[in-house]
Amino acid sequence: QVQLQESGPGLVKPSETLSLTCTVSGGSISTYYWSWIRQPPGKGLEWIGYIYHSGSTNHNPSLRSRVTISADTSKNQFSLKLRSVTAADTAVYYCARHGREANKFDHWGQGTLVTVSS
Amino acid sequence: DIQMTQSPSSLSASVGDRVTITCRASQSISSYLNWYQQQPGKAPKLLIYAASSLQSGVPSRFSGSGSGTDFALTISSLQPEDFATYYCQQTYSIPPVTFGPGTKVDIK
Repeated sequence: QVQLQESGPGLVKPSETLSLTCTVSGGSISTYYWSWIRQPPGKGLEWIGYIYHSGSTNHNPSLRSRVTISADTSKNQFSLKLRSVTAADTAVYYCARHGREANKFDHWGQGTLVTVSS
Repeated sequence: DIQMTQSPSSLSASVGDRVTITCRASQSISSYLNWYQQQPGKAPKLLIYAASSLQSGVPSRFSGSGSGTDFALTISSLQPEDFATYYCQQTYSIPPVTFGPGTKVDIK
């Protein structure tokens, strides 16, 4: 059974870079797509971007290229960096696996809350 | 970007009720429509993919229908564990993947 676990600082200062890692077990990140999604407190879901097993990436244009997604296949991990954060970036951040039929997001991490505050 | 809307935004229902949530895309997305359930404090869980296919392990009281721009999620007989927020998602045109705003189902 594939499992995903997010890790990283729970508190980031404004204007700094948010960095999170998703560790995948029970399956290889060398297949499928791997995404980051976030959810501000009390609000809906926003897709941030993905990395494909080939290393290609894509991200939400709304984030104005503040996003970098990378992968370390030797550790079976992929990572998110979000630069120049503001309070609006405070959210629960999820990692997820997707692909196959209708690009379904079939495995998710439990999520990690990141608060942007000085 | 393809915009997703859902209705209603919330509803109150009783155990045993039949519940239908609708989702509309701003342009045709064929059947690239998935449904998720989110319990408070939990990650979303995939229920339906490709508009009408039931994800493995999901109870058969959940069903999906539609194609093009109009879709529906139906719960045939609401159970206590079904009180949650439901999201639709389109993956037809990326980027970005977009989600509906959610429908909260609570107890009447």
